[in-house]
Amino acid sequence: AQKITQTQPGMFVQEKEAVTLDCTYDTSDQSYGLFWYKQPSSGEMIFLIYQGSYDEQNATEGRYSLNFQKARKSANLVISASQLGDSAMYFCAMREFNNAGNMLTFGGGTRLMVKP
Amino acid sequence: DVKVTQSSRYLVKRTGEKVFLECVQDMDHENMFWYRQDPGLGLRLIYFSYDVKMKEKGDIPEGYSVSREKKERFSLILESASTNQTSMYLCASSQQGIGNTIYFGEGSWLTVV
Repeated sequence: AQKITQTQPGMFVQEKEAVTLDCTYDTSDQSYGLFWYKQPSSGEMIFLIYQGSYDEQNATEGRYSLNFQKARKSANLVISASQLGDSAMYFCAMREFNNAGNMLTFGGGTRLMVKP
Repeated sequence: DVKVTQSSRYLVKRTGEKVFLECVQDMDHENMFWYRQDPGLGLRLIYFSYDVKMKEKGDIPEGYSVSREKKERFSLILESASTNQTSMYLCASSQQGIGNTIYFGEGSWLTVV
């Protein structure tokens, strides 16, 4: 079974509007971390935001916020006031406490395209 | 700032060649990782290391080996490159612990002809 599911292969958003990228996850661990990364066409993976499973507040980092709904096992990324430079692939990922090495498991990604 | 540096950005190698992909991090991280990224398949873990000389197989270790002789350096080795190893390779590092961010290098685009 997929551990991380991103159901939107591609999305368009108008510049200056907000957009939500969906992510659902599957784990039996109580302790885990959820991450979002941005990958522009250059290929580098850029860390955006982190949410711990025990964090009660939704994480925010500038224009990025994470809508964390633990009971539904979802961790959606919200980008406010989209900019042309936000056009990229976005990956949701999870680190689990019981995973050897605590490595990241990635979703399939969502390609976001910002229209001027 | 954390820096993960991959030695080669673009490589073209011939089938059967031995290929070394080098990765260096400057933050004294215990964990280092090699991922492979392919269209439609996402990122898949090849190998990871949680200490010097320690290594563990990831999801797709076949055809690859790794070396970690120093804490800051993690090398991916393709003993005999094949065309199905044409891909983008991403190195990453982090502190141990689920709350610690994994930082990535810029990636190495390998083409095997």
